[in-house]
Amino acid sequence: NAGVTQTPKFRILKIGQSMTLQCAQDMNHNYMYWYRQDPGMGLKLIYYSVGAGITDKGEVPNGYNVSRSTTEDFPLRLELAAPSQTSVYFCASSPWTGNTEAFFGQGTRLTVV
Amino acid sequence: QQPVQSPQAVILREGEDAVINCSSSKALYSVHWYRQKHGEAPVFLMILLKGGEQKGHDKISASFNEKKQQSSLYLTASQLSYSGTYFCGTEPPGSARQLTFGSGTQLTVLP
Repeated sequence: NAGVTQTPKFRILKIGQSMTLQCAQDMNHNYMYWYRQDPGMGLKLIYYSVGAGITDKGEVPNGYNVSRSTTEDFPLRLELAAPSQTSVYFCASSPWTGNTEAFFGQGTRLTVV
Repeated sequence: QQPVQSPQAVILREGEDAVINCSSSKALYSVHWYRQKHGEAPVFLMILLKGGEQKGHDKISASFNEKKQQSSLYLTASQLSYSGTYFCGTEPPGSARQLTFGSGTQLTVLP
């Protein structure tokens, strides 16, 4: 049981480049989330999805886009990367029932130079 | 709005106790507690649902006062492995299980 898998683990981007962070879960969870974590800070919600075909903005969505074509996959797209997007990105998934935790991937460390 | 965690940092000797508090200005359905070590993903500790329940896991326990929208994490007889940053994540009712995280409490346990 792999849980939540994120790729890549590390990436360096130049200003203005684009990339997609991949996230896949094999637990058949309805809910999926993207968070970013800046150094010494808590996690901030970027986007979330309650099921295939349904996505919505979180607290800090500017500069990002998502899609959810399947239950398993929830990629995060960065267009025109900026230094302010240097961060660690975590994908998480959760079942719809209320008494279980969110499962986190291992994170993607992104540096924009 | 982000929940407020206190203290921001605490240093303990092995075997000492600590309490970490989490306070929200919004009504809550649940509170989640995670521990994160440097360079790693957050690790789930426990979830507390509304109803004022208290939960425990080994020497780590937590309480949730839904009327005050507050939760506290209790670490007793701390071990070196407890070192890390502790985050509370709060979930409002009807929020698609979105969590809003506090800024964290850095716990250091010294031998």
